Amino acid sequence: EPEVTQTPSHQVTQMGQEVILRCVPISNHLYFYWYRQILGQKVEFLVSFYNNEISEKSEIFDDQFSVERPDGSNFTLKIRSTKLEDSAMYFCASNIGVLGQPQHFGDGTRLSIL
Amino acid sequence: AQRVTQPEKLLSVFKGAPVELKCNYSYSGSPELFWYVQYSRQRLQLLLRHISRESIKGFTADLNKGETSFHLKKPFAQEEDSAMYYCALGVGTGNQFYFGTGTSLTVIP
Repeated sequence: EPEVTQTPSHQVTQMGQEVILRCVPISNHLYFYWYRQILGQKVEFLVSFYNNEISEKSEIFDDQFSVERPDGSNFTLKIRSTKLEDSAMYFCASNIGVLGQPQHFGDGTRLSIL
Repeated sequence: AQRVTQPEKLLSVFKGAPVELKCNYSYSGSPELFWYVQYSRQRLQLLLRHISRESIKGFTADLNKGETSFHLKKPFAQEEDSAMYYCALGVGTGNQFYFGTGTSLTVIP
């Protein structure tokens, strides 16, 4: 069964540095998402992406965040100047684009900001 | 505004006992509801969706529009059911998900 893959599994970065988290969604899926889960807290929606543009974003997704689909397979989340509070698990998900169909999640990237 | 409420943060039951994880939602449109399970910080895995009305790993969930609920039930809990369970509401053309805060289920041997 096809899966969403994310790299790296763990990223350690100094505060203030830029970080790029990478995702390969399922190939025939049309909608892509990023979620964040701070340790011990719930999964929070960051952004959804469709047809090469952001379709929705949450309040968390401020100017330090950006997403890109640089080629036909990758979907990236960039955090420009990381802060300590960005430390979290970041999950990528994709969806075939039909309401009622589930989102498929990757294993996540654990981001640790020092 | 859309919202998903899971009132129990922690739930412990004995093996073999029935279990019910509560989920209530708030949404003015026609809801698309899902249950996801997360084992020990692994990826979120789809457990159930209301449109399929299926039973996975012995779990069932029925959408009650009158009570705006989508509670997850299993008649006999197993140790391997211990995990974090998230209720999710899908809305809009982008099928954006709103997650509840999750319920951590512990099945006591």
